[in-house]
Amino acid sequence: DTAVSQTPKYLVTQMGNDKSIKCEQNLGHDTMYWYKQDSKKFLKIMFSYNNKELIINETVPNRFSPKSPDKAHLNLHINSLELGDSAVYFCASSSSANEKLFFGSGTQLSVL
Amino acid sequence: AQSVTQLGSHVSVSEGALVLLRCNYSSSVPPYLFWYVQYPNQGLQLLLKYTSAATLVKGINGFEAEFKKSETSFHLTKPSAHMSDAAEYFCAVSESGGYQKVTFGTGTKLQVIP
Repeated sequence: DTAVSQTPKYLVTQMGNDKSIKCEQNLGHDTMYWYKQDSKKFLKIMFSYNNKELIINETVPNRFSPKSPDKAHLNLHINSLELGDSAVYFCASSSSANEKLFFGSGTQLSVL
Repeated sequence: AQSVTQLGSHVSVSEGALVLLRCNYSSSVPPYLFWYVQYPNQGLQLLLKYTSAATLVKGINGFEAEFKKSETSFHLTKPSAHMSDAAEYFCAVSESGGYQKVTFGTGTKLQVIP
């Protein structure tokens, strides 16, 4: 009965590779997000989708491409990975009627 | 533009002592304010939120926060710390709530000493 689930939990890869992180929510929410948390625990929004439409894109390099096949899924694809992409990436969701964010447990990405 | 500042990246308290985590916000409109908690290797969980109703907000696990407009503050308190309160705490602000952008502070790590 996991609310927001993201996979994989850990991802270790080489520079230059392309990788994807998947996120699914079973809460019936209409909005989903990707957040990046750096090594200093600073949490910053990357993208937000509402009903499969992109509504927030926070100056993220175009190597990052979110894809929302339906309201319950928001996947994050990253091309040409760089060392600086190493971080924990959190998926989250919310309902337009409620300000509460529900977070997944995070994907720790390590780029070597 | 909205922002939050959390004073103190690390706070240590003894078990049973008062917990006080400080947060000051900046917002051009009446804000929505939140406190989230992050336990190791987990995502963030909402502790409490302020959405322009009562200025004293009670949350889960015995935490509460008071919105003070004159001080632009939203400090988090708990009368008596428990070992299980050890975690990272994030203050956050949103100028319109819902699907609009939520801006997080840099977090305060709470250590509870037995």
